[in-house]
Amino acid sequence: DVKVTQSSRYLVKRTGEKVFLECVQDMDHENMFWYRQDPGLGLRLIYFSYDVKMKEKGDIPEGYSVSREKKERFSLILESASTNQTSMYLCASSPYSFKANNQPQHFGDGTRLSIL
Amino acid sequence: AQKVTQAQTEISVVEKEDVTLDCVYETRDTTYYLFWYKQPPSGELVFLIRRNSFDEQNEISGRYSWNFQKSTSSFNFTITASQVVDSAVYFCALSLFSGNTPLVFGKGTRLSVIA
Repeated sequence: DVKVTQSSRYLVKRTGEKVFLECVQDMDHENMFWYRQDPGLGLRLIYFSYDVKMKEKGDIPEGYSVSREKKERFSLILESASTNQTSMYLCASSPYSFKANNQPQHFGDGTRLSIL
Repeated sequence: AQKVTQAQTEISVVEKEDVTLDCVYETRDTTYYLFWYKQPPSGELVFLIRRNSFDEQNEISGRYSWNFQKSTSSFNFTITASQVVDSAVYFCALSLFSGNTPLVFGKGTRLSVIA
């Protein structure tokens, strides 16, 4: 089974801190994604990466950056955390192409981040 | 640009009732995938189904069934004889056919099944 592991289930940080959310996948997937989930807004894409050192902005990249130095690891960075970044963050991975019996994106369990 | 609309924000049903969750999508592409995910209270996203744009066959899996109609750009999800364990947030999503495109999610429908 594919495993996507997010480093923390719950995290509390202070305004202005630099925050790192880590995500690791064990299936050699090319693509990795960071989403943010807020009530009533669904999942919104922050950044995604389709290869090592490659990144693409999603719908809401402001205030965030990402790093992908190794294929299995995709980090989300809040450069200077603000209270409006309090949210649930979900990491996902997928292979390059969907094969006949392939599954779509596999998600981690999420990190519930609170910025005080 | 792609868009997924789940007009029902919250639905509440009594156990054993049937319930249909609506999903309407927009895309100019002719090849795409549609998905449904379930998010129970524990928070993890559980993949339920993938359907590609070439295959309009309806699908049934146990108490779950899906109705895909390209003519109305809809991909609705029906739960028959609902159970309390079906209580969750359900997300419909769309992606293009190429390998590197992210999923575009609807805002989700919260289903509460009352015993």
